[in-house]
Amino acid sequence: AQTVTQSQPEMSVQEAETVTLSCTYDTSESDYYLFWYKQPPSRQMILVIRQEAYKQQNATENRFSVNFQKAAKSFSLKISDSQLGDAAMYFCAYRSAVNYGQNFVFGPGTRLSVLP
Amino acid sequence: EAEVAQSPRYKITEKSQAVAFWCDPISGHATLYWYRQILGQGPELLVQFQDESVVDDSQLPKDRFSAERLKGVDSTLKIQPAELGDSAMYLCASSLAGTTGGETQYFGPGTRLLVL
Repeated sequence: AQTVTQSQPEMSVQEAETVTLSCTYDTSESDYYLFWYKQPPSRQMILVIRQEAYKQQNATENRFSVNFQKAAKSFSLKISDSQLGDAAMYFCAYRSAVNYGQNFVFGPGTRLSVLP
Repeated sequence: EAEVAQSPRYKITEKSQAVAFWCDPISGHATLYWYRQILGQGPELLVQFQDESVVDDSQLPKDRFSAERLKGVDSTLKIQPAELGDSAMYLCASSLAGTTGGETQYFGPGTRLLVL
């Protein structure tokens, strides 16, 4: 079974600085998707960024970018120019591209604090 | 902007009682998901519907949990009887077609259950 690990339970960053959240995963599949979801306090979880495993180019969405290392099974999230609104729980998630009716796994999360 | 609706937002019940949660996905979304999120952990997929059919319920404790989506629109998740270990946030999410693992899931605000 696939597993997702986030080794940093908590992180903090100074406003306007850059922070990187780590995620590693384990799978025997070659075709899959990786996601970062953000869960602000008392608010809905929203998708931050998505990466398709067959694409070598790292995904970017405005201030958010990923470093996808398929061989190392690593998928880190970089937040540039951090803002107070970035404070939230961040979850890394894996989903099979083939058996997508199954195998959707979330990591335990990293709590990000943004310091003014 | 369309959102996933869930009710109730909070529920306190005593163990051995029955509880039910309701979810109304974004209009037109064929796929609906129920997750359980224990405090401090990532969401765990309980059941996935494609229209009115169950695609995956491998993590659903079927001795006490049931889920239905009779007309392929809104859905109900039931627990009977509730146990202390069921205390958690229950999240509902929907996605447009469910034909690819890379689809964005849109999450509702969740129902926080406390079993006494």
